[in-house]
Amino acid sequence: QKEVEQNSGPLSVPEGAIASLNCTYSDRGSQSFFWYRQYSGKSPELIMSIYSNGDKEDGRFTAQLNKASQYVSLLIRDSQPSDSATYLCVLGTSYGKLTFGQGTILTVHP
Amino acid sequence: AAGVIQSPRHLIKEKRETATLKCYPIPRHDTVYWYQQGPGQDPQFLISFYEKMQSDKGSIPDRFSAQQFSDYHSELNMSSLELGDSALYFCASSGESRYNEQFFGPGTRLTVL
Repeated sequence: QKEVEQNSGPLSVPEGAIASLNCTYSDRGSQSFFWYRQYSGKSPELIMSIYSNGDKEDGRFTAQLNKASQYVSLLIRDSQPSDSATYLCVLGTSYGKLTFGQGTILTVHP
Repeated sequence: AAGVIQSPRHLIKEKRETATLKCYPIPRHDTVYWYQQGPGQDPQFLISFYEKMQSDKGSIPDRFSAQQFSDYHSELNMSSLELGDSALYFCASSGESRYNEQFFGPGTRLTVL
């Protein structure tokens, strides 16, 4: 089993809708969780970090973490065509590597 | 704000040649990470350095080596290049964040012919 599993894509939503991206992980000791956005051929860009159970909101983005269920999600409200990208669910340790999910391709169509 | 700088941005090499990739972290960031991303794959962790010492090691081939210098920049040295080494190589850096938020550079696209 891969350490980080993301919901299979690609995901297509109309402009203005809510995009929902989900992720489960296997390591119960994980302490930090990130969502990165990656455009084709570009580097991953950090868009959300979450460390404790519950919701964290930043603009149009809301990250949710449930450690008991080992579940992380990202909601994008009022989706725009510029949000079309691959979204990577990522686990971090306090000192070392990041472990990436396989990514979910999101397409927002006008 | 200053970001992570990587050079070169593109590199073409022949099989069995060597390559050196450079990374300059965000100012005041003391930890550097290297990742390899093949086509259609997620980034794979190679190696990291904290305060010029290796701090973690991932799936880095023995043909590769890396180090961090006194000014915190890092270099990834790759020898006996193989076709399968063709990939995007990202450097990321982190600072004093307790939770190790990492910020990525633009990457070096290595093509081995």
